[in-house]
Amino acid sequence: QKEVEQDPGPLSVPEGAIVSLNCTYSNSAFQYFMWYRQYSRKGPELLMYTYSSGNKEDGRFTAQVDKSSKYISLFIRDSQPSDSATYLCAMSGTNTGNQFYFGTGTSLTVIP
Amino acid sequence: DTGVSQNPRHKITKRGQNVTFRCDPISEHNRLYWYRQTLGQGPEFLTYFQNEAQLEKSRLLSDRFSAERPKGSFSTLEIQRTEQGDSAMYLCASSNQETQYFGPGTRLLVL
Repeated sequence: QKEVEQDPGPLSVPEGAIVSLNCTYSNSAFQYFMWYRQYSRKGPELLMYTYSSGNKEDGRFTAQVDKSSKYISLFIRDSQPSDSATYLCAMSGTNTGNQFYFGTGTSLTVIP
Repeated sequence: DTGVSQNPRHKITKRGQNVTFRCDPISEHNRLYWYRQTLGQGPEFLTYFQNEAQLEKSRLLSDRFSAERPKGSFSTLEIQRTEQGDSAMYLCASSNQETQYFGPGTRLLVL
């Protein structure tokens, strides 16, 4: 079993839709949870960072962590064509050997 | 620009040649990571430095791959005797322990 599971998609939505992206994980030692946005042929860009459980909002983006279910989500409100990218979840913990564990990424297309 | 930088951005080489990539991390970060990414996959861990010490290497890192961070600042990743299977995006990231910031990557094509 992989440490982090992420549905690769592809996901296609109309402009203005609410997008939900999700990851599950198996290691209960993970404490830091990140979402990255990666445009084609570019490096991943840190979008959201959350410590432990709870919600964090930044503009149109909301990150949720449910440690009891080992499940994290990224919500995008009022999606725009410029949100079309691959979204990677990543996680780490103080007891996970200084490594970061990534999902395979979900490809999102927002149709104008 | 105080982000992570990588050079070159693109490299095309013939099979059997050696290539070297450079990464300049965010200056206040003492941790530096190298990853490889292929199409449709997440970043795959290669190796990790804390300051100048290389603390972890992936089993995937064959003896053709070597990385250095001589003064705890920039790092280099060298691939010797390149193979077509080495074609990928090579990503560098620097870390403040809690999260990572990536560079733009070096895209390698081995012909």
